[in-house]
Amino acid sequence: AQSVTQLGSHVSVSEGALVLLRCNYSSSVPPYLFWYVQYPNQGLQLLLKYTTGATLVKGINGFEAEFKKSETSFHLTKPSAHMSDAAEYFCAVSLTQGGSEKLVFGKGTKLTVNP
Amino acid sequence: SQTIHQWPATLVQPVGSPLSLECTVEGTSNPNLYWYRQAAGRGLQLLFYSVGIGQISSEVPQNLSASRPQDRQFILSSKKLLLSDSGFYLCAWSWAYGYTFGSGTRLTVV
Repeated sequence: AQSVTQLGSHVSVSEGALVLLRCNYSSSVPPYLFWYVQYPNQGLQLLLKYTTGATLVKGINGFEAEFKKSETSFHLTKPSAHMSDAAEYFCAVSLTQGGSEKLVFGKGTKLTVNP
Repeated sequence: SQTIHQWPATLVQPVGSPLSLECTVEGTSNPNLYWYRQAAGRGLQLLFYSVGIGQISSEVPQNLSASRPQDRQFILSSKKLLLSDSGFYLCAWSWAYGYTFGSGTRLTVV
């Protein structure tokens, strides 16, 4: 079975500091991995995704994530946090079962950016 | 371009009342459609998914049901709401290993 673990339900950083949100997955096959961002009372917006190829994936708003198979990780980073980055972030893995595909999400990490 | 519409945005319903949330997709045909629920501190839980008209798969036993009467319409229903049905409900469709989400419905059962 595939699952996703996000370490830390809350992360707080200062404006301008490095953002690091951790995600580990378990999968019996090479996974497709995603990061989504959710602003209050809104739907989810795709930040970036890894399917195949280059393991360092660049997304929107200056975020990037690196797929590390040996560590079963897909951590999200941003060199310098902005106030507008405050939101909840979800890591997800794509699961194909019985010919149907679905996303399995981690429990989310709420990012707070302090001035 | 493809868009996904979900309504209403917010809903307050008494315990025991019925529920109907609607989701429609434009700009694509035969999409895979999904209903997720987000409860406080519990992340996103997949409730139902559908690969075609009339084809519904349920992920967890619950007080809710789903229907797909048309190719691009996905409906989430309940005959009698429970307090535990409160949450943020999100509809989504998938394309080439990407997912697009609706703006969500905040349901409060009182």
